[in-house]
Amino acid sequence: QAGLTQPPSVSKGLRQTATLTCTGNNNNVGDQGAAWLQQYQGHPPILLSDRSNNRPSGISERLSASRSGNTASLTITGLQPEDEADYYCSAWDRSLNAWVFGGGTKLTVL
Amino acid sequence: EVQLVESGGGLVQPGGSLRLSCAASGFTFSNFWMHWVRQAPGKGLVWVSGLNGDGSSTLYADSVKGRFSISRDNAKNTVFLQMNSLRGEDTALYYCVTGGNAFSIWGQGTMVSVSS
Repeated sequence: QAGLTQPPSVSKGLRQTATLTCTGNNNNVGDQGAAWLQQYQGHPPILLSDRSNNRPSGISERLSASRSGNTASLTITGLQPEDEADYYCSAWDRSLNAWVFGGGTKLTVL
Repeated sequence: EVQLVESGGGLVQPGGSLRLSCAASGFTFSNFWMHWVRQAPGKGLVWVSGLNGDGSSTLYADSVKGRFSISRDNAKNTVFLQMNSLRGEDTALYYCVTGGNAFSIWGQGTMVSVSS
């Protein structure tokens, strides 16, 4: 099953802003949006933003999600060392009748 | 506290079977879709299967259709994944997951290794 497309890696400096992208099509991201998850090595993922771009309680206000057409974005401002992690997007695909994930982006904070 | 606890993983030979369980607590279990998502060592997340609240609707990834079966026991707040005809490529950490419009609640995972 086709997944969503994310850049494998992004590197930014401390206190800079990183924007992670997730590209799908009209049947997934373009239909009902994408959610964003963060995963640290050896731990289960944590939901950062749901498909309506809402942050669960406890998630930093430095993170914001948005969507333009078939591309979802996660913007992290004021990068901190603890932001270094893997980030995944996920969406419901109405044509596949399945959930799909992006391949993940490894964010490095320099 | 909302919690998902997986069990049942282990080492199995190719062609073998395993049954994973996920015990849920802290929320109204029967109101939520339950899913299994797997992650092979060093790889990304892959959705495997999902089941609606009353168990009447099931979904599977193409890679597991015909081999895996998802079910639930709402009286025991437990969801299961029966895995048959296992292959090396099924080797992964299997997470039990739920949520509203996104995967918001994750268990710690149970490891499945398929090898001779």
